[in-house]
Formats: sequence, C-alpha cells, structure tokens
Amino acid sequence: GAVVSQHPSRVICKSGTSVKIECRSLDFQATTMFWYRQFPKQSLMLMATSNEGSKATYEQGVEKDKFLINHASLTLSTLTVTSAHPEDSSFYICSARDMGGLTPNSPLHFGNGTRLTVT
Amino acid sequence: DQQVKQNSPSLSVQEGRISILNCDYTNSMFDYFLWYKKYPAEGPTFLISISSIKDKNEDGRFTVFLNKSAKHLSLHIVPSQPGDSAVYFCAASSYNTDKLIFGTGTRLQVFP
Repeated sequence: GAVVSQHPSRVICKSGTSVKIECRSLDFQATTMFWYRQFPKQSLMLMATSNEGSKATYEQGVEKDKFLINHASLTLSTLTVTSAHPEDSSFYICSARDMGGLTPNSPLHFGNGTRLTVT
Repeated sequence: DQQVKQNSPSLSVQEGRISILNCDYTNSMFDYFLWYKKYPAEGPTFLISISSIKDKNEDGRFTVFLNKSAKHLSLHIVPSQPGDSAVYFCAASSYNTDKLIFGTGTRLQVFP
C-alpha cells in the first residue's frame, strides 16, 4: 500500500532554533500534501496545504512566516518551524493523497508524525 | 468552531462484543466521511469511508453508518478484539476540497 515517510520521528531543540521536518511519498506522487498538528488529547488540526510548485495555503490562525512549507517535488514536502518556542512543542503529521486515486476523495495516507520538543 | 465532534472521549468494551463509536458534524456541505485509527506516536491509518449517497458501508468487522438528516455517523466494530484498542478519529470532507476535518477522537479499549 501507499507509504508516507516522515523524518525525523522525534526532535528536541532549543528555543530560537529552526527545525525542518520532511515528508515523502514513497511509492506514489502527490501534488498536494497536508500538514497537521496534534496537541495532547486533541484533534488533528490542519495547518496548511502544501502545493507542488506553488505557495502553500495556510489555515486561519497559522503563521506562514513561522511555519515555512516547501513542496519542491511530487514526492517531497518540508515543514520548517522557524525560531521555535516551547509553545511550538507538538506532534506534527503530514499526509498525502495518491494522485492515481480513484476519486478526488481517496483516503489520505499519513506519515508517522514528528514529536517536536522545544526547550 | 468544532465542525466534527466525537462526544465520547473514551470507550471500554469487552472482547467479542460490539464497539460503537459515534461522530456528529455540523457542516451540511460535508459529503464524504472517513474513520481513522491511531496508535500513540504514529500517524493515523485509514479504516473505512462512506459517501453521502450511501447510509451504510461494511468492510469485514467494520461497518460505518451515516444518518444525513441527523448529521451523525457511527463506526461499529464486531466482534471487538484487543488489537482494536487505539484512538479512533472520524473525519469529513466535501467533494470540492481536499481538506479533511477531524473529530477529537475516541479512545477505545478492548479488554479480555
């Protein structure tokens, strides 16, 4: 089945530094990838939609200068948390939909997430 | 504004019995619904989906029911197994958008 690989799985960084998270679709192409954030015991909140070759679309309340998204190819999207602060500590998950899916609503495939801790 | 709600944060069921997880939504534009299962420190995995043109979809031990008039869907797992213990999220989308809106999740525990 389709696999989405997310790296790193866990990262600890100091306040003020930047962290890059990679999301790759391993056996399919994805023009669109989605970045979610999950706080403990809460829902997955959509942060932004990453579009290959163009600017990402951010959800209301998400700072685009804080969370930089680059979708350079059909198999890779990156999320960079810039000047990280302790309140950015969270579980970040990427997802992608197989372009060859049968319908526009073919299920999203999720990465295993990245646990970010900012000290 | 939580457009997709799972009002039960947790559910405990004995092995072999039926697990029923509920989900309510408020946006009448939603026309496609999915259930995902999630283990700690992992991404969600897709379980089953249903389009608004149907009221039931079955896949093995998993059945999803949709009541459009009530804006309610449910996931039935029967018989429940200990390996089903996880957090279950319902999600919704509309045909003209790629976005998935997730509920808050229900933690299912299946005990022997």
